[in-house]
Amino acid sequence: AQKITQTQPGMFVQEKEAVTLDCTYDTSDPSYGLFWYKQPSSGEMIFLIYQGSYDQQNATEGRYSLNFQKARKSANLVISASQLGDSAMYFCAMREANNAGNMLTFGGGTRLMVKP
Amino acid sequence: ETGVTQSPTHLIKTRGQQVTLRCSSQSGHNTVSWYQQALGQGPQFIFQYYREEENGRGNFPPRFSGLQFPNYSSELNVNALELDDSALYLCASSLLTGRRQETQYFGPGTRLLVL
Repeated sequence: AQKITQTQPGMFVQEKEAVTLDCTYDTSDPSYGLFWYKQPSSGEMIFLIYQGSYDQQNATEGRYSLNFQKARKSANLVISASQLGDSAMYFCAMREANNAGNMLTFGGGTRLMVKP
Repeated sequence: ETGVTQSPTHLIKTRGQQVTLRCSSQSGHNTVSWYQQALGQGPQFIFQYYREEENGRGNFPPRFSGLQFPNYSSELNVNALELDDSALYLCASSLLTGRRQETQYFGPGTRLLVL
């Protein structure tokens, strides 16, 4: 089974509007972390936001917030007030505490395109 | 910018050759992880180095090997290159203290093309 599933291969959003990128995950480890990264066409993976499995509050970082629904095993990224520079690939990733090497497992990504 | 640097930025090799990719970690970080990202896919974990030793490995054959140096920089070596090794290779550095690992920060990647 896929550990991280991103069901939206591509999405369009109008500049200045909010957009939600979906991520569901699968783990039996009670301790895990969820990450979102942005990858522009240049290739570098840029860290956006982190949510720990024991965190009581949803994570927020500026225009980014994470809608964490633990029972549904979902960790959707919400970008408010989209900007043209937000056009990029977005990856959801999970780190499980019992994984050797603290590896990140990535989803297949969502390409976000912001329209002017 | 994260402070993680990688070299070279691009590389072209032929099948059967060997390649070495380099990564300098962010100041204050003590682990380096390597990932392979094929075109159109998410990154796949190759291995992580901590205290100059391999600290975990993904599903990659032994011809993928690495080193970490006392200054925490790292090399990824790939022997007997195959066409499917063509990918973006990303390294990420982080701080590991005890069992707690902080966020991994990525470098700009090395694009490898195997002909």
